[in-house]
Amino acid sequence: SAVISQKPSRDICQRGTSLTIQCQVDSQVTMMFWYRQQPGQSLTLIATANQGSEATYESGFVIDKFPISRPNLTFSTLTVSNMSPEDSSIYLCSVLPTGRVAEAFFGQGTRLTVV
Amino acid sequence: AQTVTQSQPEMSVQEAETVTLSCTYDTSESDYYLFWYKQPPSRQMILVIRQEAYKQQNATENRFSVNFQKAAKSFSLKISDSQLGDAAMYFCAYRSSYGGSQGNLIFGKGTKLSVKP
Repeated sequence: SAVISQKPSRDICQRGTSLTIQCQVDSQVTMMFWYRQQPGQSLTLIATANQGSEATYESGFVIDKFPISRPNLTFSTLTVSNMSPEDSSIYLCSVLPTGRVAEAFFGQGTRLTVV
Repeated sequence: AQTVTQSQPEMSVQEAETVTLSCTYDTSESDYYLFWYKQPPSRQMILVIRQEAYKQQNATENRFSVNFQKAAKSFSLKISDSQLGDAAMYFCAYRSSYGGSQGNLIFGKGTKLSVKP
C-alpha cells in the first residue's frame, strides 16, 4: 500500500492567480497521476506525472494551464494557472505502487474554489 | 478506447437490506482490472473491491461482492446488510494490466447510494 499526503486540502483563490498542489508519498512509486473532479461529476485524468521528464497530458489539458513537476519517485506537484471559476473542482493525486499491484491509492483531494 | 458505464445515477436501500449497483465496460483487452471505489463526503477515494479479469471467481470482501461477467462486460457490486456508513458515491473503474501510460483508471460517472434507517 501507499500513504499519500496531499496539500492543501482546500483553498479559495482569486481568479487570475495560480495554486500549486503537492502530493507526497511515503514510498517510491512507479506512476503518479493527477485527476480532476468537477462538482457532481466523475474523475477525469489530467496527466501522468513522469519522473525526470515532462508529464503526459490527456486530451483537453495543456501544460501551460496545468504544469506538473515530479522531481523524484515520491513527490509531485500540480499547478492550476491563471484560474477562472471554471477551474473550481476537486483535484486528486493518485499513485500506482511499484510492482504488480492492482489498485491505485489516492490522496485526500484538494477542493479548489475560484472566486 | 475503454469506457465504463454506470446507468444508475442514484440508488436507495433500507438499512440491513441488500442493494446491487450496476456497471458495464467496453474494452478490446483481455487482461485488466476492475474496481469499485467509494467516495464519501470527505472526498477520500476508498477501494471497496477489485477483480482481476483472468480470475473467474467473483471477488468478495466481507459484505461486498461482485458479479463479474467477462463475456457480457458486466461488473456489478452487491452490498449486503447495508449500513448507514455505506452511504456514499460509488465509482466503477477500469485499469489496463499492461502498465506504462495505461496505468491510469477510467471511471464511470458514479452512483450515489443513500441508506435509509
